[in-house]
Amino acid sequence: LAKTTQPISMDSYEGQEVNITCSHNNIATNDYITWYQQFPSQGPRFIIQGYKTKVTNEVASLFIPADRKSSTLSLPRVSLSDTAVYYCLFAVNYQLIWGAGTKLIIKP
Amino acid sequence: DTGVSQDPRHKITKRGQNVTFRCDPISEHNRLYWYRQTLGQGPEFLTYFQNEAQLEKSRLLSDRFSAERPKGSFSTLEIQRTEQGDSAMYLCASSVAGGEQFFGPGTRLTVL
Repeated sequence: LAKTTQPISMDSYEGQEVNITCSHNNIATNDYITWYQQFPSQGPRFIIQGYKTKVTNEVASLFIPADRKSSTLSLPRVSLSDTAVYYCLFAVNYQLIWGAGTKLIIKP
Repeated sequence: DTGVSQDPRHKITKRGQNVTFRCDPISEHNRLYWYRQTLGQGPEFLTYFQNEAQLEKSRLLSDRFSAERPKGSFSTLEIQRTEQGDSAMYLCASSVAGGEQFFGPGTRLTVL
């Protein structure tokens, strides 16, 4: 049975860089790894998606090693508004598997 | 507002009743997904459609759950003979093939 592992929670301070790692076994060889952000009482919101190596957009970077059994979401210079739950998502045999989520709390 | 709408936003029902939820995706999106989420957990995949075809359904999903997307636009999710364990937030998302998923606000179901 496919599963993921993410830290349950993390704390950081405004202006710091935050890295959240998700490990995922049995990931499909041709599927992307995606990260989402979710605030209370809202649906998840897309952050970034990648297949291998490194991807960067205006809000985050995603690092994926060659074996693709893990991925690391990097949030540069976090602010209070980045307090949320962060999920990794991938596919195993066409079933979409979400991580349990990492609750990130940013302190002033 | 992501452009994905869900109706109703909240539903309270008694155990044993049937409920139906509706999702209207972004119009140009051919993929539509249904998820269930309980407090403190990540979304649990239920099923997804490409156009009107239901391509995948969770192997863990009870036969009491059924979904349709008859014209490849809106979708409905029906739960028959609801149980208290069905209480959750039901999320709908849409995307183009291979693209990011845009989520609706969800329907919160409470089964008494």
